[in-house]
Amino acid sequence: QKEVEQDPGPLSVPEGAIVSLNCTYSNSAFQYFMWYRQYSRKGPELLMYTYSSGNKEDGRFTAQVDKSSKYISLFIRDSQPSDSATYLCAMSDRGSTLGRLYFGRGTQLTVWP
Amino acid sequence: NAGVTQTPKFRVLKTGQSMTLLCAQDMNHEYMYWYRQDPGMGLRLIHYSVGEGTTAKGEVPDGYNVSRLKKQNFLLGLESAAPSQTSVYFCASSSPSTGSGSRTDTQYFGPGTRLTVL
Repeated sequence: QKEVEQDPGPLSVPEGAIVSLNCTYSNSAFQYFMWYRQYSRKGPELLMYTYSSGNKEDGRFTAQVDKSSKYISLFIRDSQPSDSATYLCAMSDRGSTLGRLYFGRGTQLTVWP
Repeated sequence: NAGVTQTPKFRVLKTGQSMTLLCAQDMNHEYMYWYRQDPGMGLRLIHYSVGEGTTAKGEVPDGYNVSRLKKQNFLLGLESAAPSQTSVYFCASSSPSTGSGSRTDTQYFGPGTRLTVL
């Protein structure tokens, strides 16, 4: 079993929809949770960063972490065609991992006009 | 700042040939990483380095070697390329963490190298 599980999709929604992307994990030592966005033929770029449990909002994006359920989510409100990309969750425990991140497989999202 | 750059952007090799992928970062980061990305597999860590002169194995190190002779550069070598090494290779860099809530462990990625081994 991979340490981080993420449904690869693909996910296709109309413009304006609310999108929910999710990851589950098995390592209870993970404390730092990130979402990366990757456009086609580009490198991943950091979208959201959350420490421990709770919510974080940035514009149309909200990241949620539920450590008790080992479950993280990314919500996109009023989705736009420019949000079409692959979204990767990533997490770390710092400490002995020396900066190593554990990635999900990524969910491919298409927002159609 | 250019961030993280990778050379070359594309390459086609024949089985058994060797090549070196170069990663350079201008953010003075201590940590550097090499990943490969394959359809349905996500990002898999090949090797990483926590400082100049140090390297360590990741998830899928077989068939690859790395060197970190300068802090800003991280080289990935394929001594004898195989078709199974056809992939997109990403380099990333980050700084060591300095405390809770800090974003210093954020990894910054390069644009990738598309490698095809025939």
